[in-house]
Amino acid sequence: SQELEQSPQSLIVQEGKNLTINCTSSKTLYGLYWYKQKYGEGLIFLMMLQKGGEEKSHEKITAKLDEKKQQSSLHITASQPSHAGIYLCGADDNNDMRFGAGTRLTVKP
Amino acid sequence: KAGVTQTPRYLIKTRGQQVTLSCSPISGHRSVSWYQQTPGQGLQFLFEYFSETQRNKGNFPGRFSGRQFSNSRSEMNVSTLELGDSALYLCASSRASANYGYTFGSGTRLTVV
Repeated sequence: SQELEQSPQSLIVQEGKNLTINCTSSKTLYGLYWYKQKYGEGLIFLMMLQKGGEEKSHEKITAKLDEKKQQSSLHITASQPSHAGIYLCGADDNNDMRFGAGTRLTVKP
Repeated sequence: KAGVTQTPRYLIKTRGQQVTLSCSPISGHRSVSWYQQTPGQGLQFLFEYFSETQRNKGNFPGRFSGRQFSNSRSEMNVSTLELGDSALYLCASSRASANYGYTFGSGTRLTVV
């Protein structure tokens, strides 16, 4: 089955700073999803990438899927306390979605 | 439109008991997947149902079972509860498969004492 490795595991940044989270797959990615989770709650869909080189943005969050389709990065510009949470990447694996372990983001005011 | 609804939100059970969790998908979504989330193991796939049939299954013991009804609502059952079953159980629905993206419910927090 497909394995997704996220880095870093946790991140603490000062409000206003930029940051990047990476997701590396053991297999070619045909659909890569980014979700955000607040502690103890469900996952909130952020964006989905399918094509190599594809880049999508939503507010201050940008995600990109590399050309070889085995790595994706999530970039947050000018971080805010509202960005705090756990970011998870997920990939379609034989009709189901498997997830990385997540990156816990803390934004200090 | 209504999102994915999971009930109950919180549950406390004793070792050895059994529990049933419920998930109502978004209207029109026929695929329902279940996940277990723990601090140590992260988000782990339990099983997926599509049109009342289990289409995929993760690596969990037979104590974990599920079913889906004709209206796409799904239930998950855990028998002979163990302390290690304490977790957040999340269900997600999709129109047909992961290709369409999943919408998650808020989860059921199960505590086994």
